[in-house]
Amino acid sequence: AQSVTQPDIHITVSEGASLELRCNYSYGATPYLFWYVQSPGQGLQLLLKYFSGDTLVQGIKGFEAEFKRSQSSFNLRKPSVHWSDAAEYFCAVIGGSARQLTFGSGTQLTVLP
Amino acid sequence: SAVISQKPSRDICQRGTSLTIQCQVDSQVTMMFWYRQQPGQSLTLIATANQGSEATYESGFVIDKFPISRPNLTFSTLTVSNMSPEDSSIYLCSVGPPVLTEAFFGQGTRLTVV
Repeated sequence: AQSVTQPDIHITVSEGASLELRCNYSYGATPYLFWYVQSPGQGLQLLLKYFSGDTLVQGIKGFEAEFKRSQSSFNLRKPSVHWSDAAEYFCAVIGGSARQLTFGSGTQLTVLP
Repeated sequence: SAVISQKPSRDICQRGTSLTIQCQVDSQVTMMFWYRQQPGQSLTLIATANQGSEATYESGFVIDKFPISRPNLTFSTLTVSNMSPEDSSIYLCSVGPPVLTEAFFGQGTRLTVV
């Protein structure tokens, strides 16, 4: 069965600093990978996705992620964090017979002024 | 893309009662998914709802507690039955692959059981 690991429960960065959120997946076939963001009291918003092709994926709000098959990773990056980026970030993989999403445990991002 | 309308957006319910959550999609989709997000936790899949067949439940979730209806290709309901405070969570409806290239979510139903 597929699984997703987000090793960092909570990350704190200063505004303007760079950011990298880690995601490792376990899936037997070629994975479909996603990063979602959830702001307090808000629904889930898709930041970016990887299905195939270029392993460096650009998303919304200046985020990017790089798929590394050899490391089973799909880390999310942003060169300069804004205070509005403070939120919960979820990595997810599609798999299973129903093609459902399996989510990681999430990483809470705090941005210091 | 898909737009999902979920209601109610929030509710406070007495223990022992039931709440039915509705999910309406603006396009026809084969599979709809129901997730639960407990406070401070990630999303956990409750069940997959296919039109015209019984829902498929994940381990730890049973039909008697979370009955699901899927009367057509654009609508589904999830009922949380005989509620207890442990059922206090956000419940989210979702649609996604293979029909669509990504998963879309409703805004969620924030349930508090007192």
